[in-house]
Amino acid sequence: NAGVIQTPRHKVTGKGQEATLWCEPISGHSAVFWYRQTIVQGLEFLTYFRNQAPIDDSGMPKERFSAQMPNQSHSTLKIQSTQPQDSAVYLCASSFPDWGGQDTQYFGPGTRLLVL
Amino acid sequence: QQNVQQSPESLIVPEGARTSLNCTFSDSASQYFWWYRQHSGKAPKALMSIFSNGEKEEGRFTIHLNKASLHFSLHIRDSQPSDSALYLCAVSMDSGGSNAKLTFGKGTKLSVKS
Repeated sequence: NAGVIQTPRHKVTGKGQEATLWCEPISGHSAVFWYRQTIVQGLEFLTYFRNQAPIDDSGMPKERFSAQMPNQSHSTLKIQSTQPQDSAVYLCASSFPDWGGQDTQYFGPGTRLLVL
Repeated sequence: QQNVQQSPESLIVPEGARTSLNCTFSDSASQYFWWYRQHSGKAPKALMSIFSNGEKEEGRFTIHLNKASLHFSLHIRDSQPSDSALYLCAVSMDSGGSNAKLTFGKGTKLSVKS
């Protein structure tokens, strides 16, 4: 099991450019989460899919951020018109929901985004 | 809005010491409580979880939850240099349902000196 795969591992963009981040969840996991991590804000929730359907996007900056899950094997996070404050490590996590409460989220290594 | 706070922000302990990390949360409806460990430059990894009041022990690690006090903690017995990492506590309202997101504290940076 390769774990959650995220690509690219590092991305540098210029202010105003678009960035697309990719996540491949663990095979068989039906829930996918996106978080971002900065020194100042810590680890913050962005959005969540279950069985490819969007469930909760309460953490997403609405204007420039969007996420999709076109099939069960990958999800994308797109940031349009990137700004320096978008610089962060973007983490994807997946889980196999166990209604009994053992819903461990497994994190990928993250994509480090730097906006210059 | 859930607010999760951790203390201390950082901690330096000698090898072999007992270490205690604390986490408080604001929403009394919280159901699931997690500790994650993140080594430098690596992904956060689930360490332990608890879902009901009381204690749970796994090896050198013990998690304690007091929902009435809105507090849970992680205790590490016989701390090792390999335990040096960022420890993140996290809370969720649901498991597998519509509110399964984790709300994290900002972390405690633990350094274990040999």
